[in-house]
Parts: sequence; structure tokens; C-alpha cells
Amino acid sequence: ELKVEQNPLFLSMQEGKNYTIYCNYSTTSDRLYWYRQDPGKSLESLFVLLSNGAVKQEGRLMASLDTKARLSTLHITAAVHDLSATYFCAAGGGADGLTFGKGTHLIIQP
Amino acid sequence: AAGVIQSPRHLIKEKRETATLKCYPIPRHDTVYWYQQGPGQDPQFLISFYEKMQSDKGSIPDRFSAQQFSDYHSELNMSSLELGDSALYFCASSQQISTDTQYFGPGTRLTVL
Repeated sequence: ELKVEQNPLFLSMQEGKNYTIYCNYSTTSDRLYWYRQDPGKSLESLFVLLSNGAVKQEGRLMASLDTKARLSTLHITAAVHDLSATYFCAAGGGADGLTFGKGTHLIIQP
Repeated sequence: AAGVIQSPRHLIKEKRETATLKCYPIPRHDTVYWYQQGPGQDPQFLISFYEKMQSDKGSIPDRFSAQQFSDYHSELNMSSLELGDSALYFCASSQQISTDTQYFGPGTRLTVL
């Protein structure tokens, strides 16, 4: 059974700071996804990582994947308030359902 | 760009009633997924369909059933509703031939009283 663990589950940080969210998964997975969710809203796709060593960047967010360590990271650079949200990593995919981590509730304070 | 459409957006039902949620995937997407998200929880996978055939099954209760129709839209049927079924229900769609990112709809908020 595929299990996905994120840490931290809650993160409060100041604007301008850098931080990393970690995502471990228990068995081999072809793909690793990162999603953002605002309160009461849908899940917005941020990144899909398909191979070992994959690195993707969009604005202040950068995601990477190490399939040997079964680890993905989401790095936030010079955080701004607009990035406050809950971030989920998920593994699985294809025609199969995704298994999500518990999510990281991120608050960025001015 | 076209997105996943879900209806209704909000639904209030009494215990033991039935509910039907509808999902219209992004055009040319061949796979549909259903997820349930309780308050403060991560989304839980329920069921998926690829080319109108059931593809994968997750933690879907026996009281729930789903299908995908010839036009690729999908319906989630929920019977004998319980208080614990109150949640956000998301439909997602993807295209297997591409990177198969799952794109999520806006969700249906179901409240069971």
C-alpha cells in the first residue's frame, strides 16, 4: 500500500524567508505531484515530476524528485503572503487514483 | 481554457436520502477520478474510469456507485447517506497519452443533516 508523508504539517514563516517542505513516499511511484489548495477551494496543479532528478520551477516555487530516496521537496524562495495555502504532495497516477500526503498548511506573515 | 465542470456545487440532504453528483471532464480527457475530502483532511481517492471502464477503486463505500457515460461525463451516486458523508467531492480528469496531470474540478460540497 502506497503511503505518502509530508512534513511539516504546519508552517508559519515571514515574508522574504526561504523554506522547504518534504514529501516521502513508501513504494515505487512513477510520478510525484504537488498541488496547492486555498481554503474551501479546488486543488491547483503546481508540478508533476516524472523521473529521478527532475527539477521544476515556477516563480518562487521549485520542486525536485529523488526516486532512490523516495523523496520530493518543494522549496519556497523569498516567500510572499500570496503563497499562503495548503500544499499537498501526491503519488501514484496514470489511470489510478492519487495517494495524498496530509498537506502542509503554510502561513506567510508580513 | 476549459476546466472540469461539476454540478451541483452545493447539496444539502437528509440522512438516508440519495444524491447524484455530476462531472464533465476537460474536452479530450479520457480518464475521470472521484475524490472525497473531509474537513481539514487530505483528498481520498474513491474511483476512476478510463475510456468508460472502471480503472481503479479506492475507499469507495458500497453505498456509492459511479459510472462514466459515452460522452465521458461521470456520475457519482450515493445512497443511504450518513452524517459522515458530509464532505467536498472532487472530480478530476486527465489525458493518459500526455503527462496525465489530474486537473481538479471546483468540487461539490455535500452536507448531510
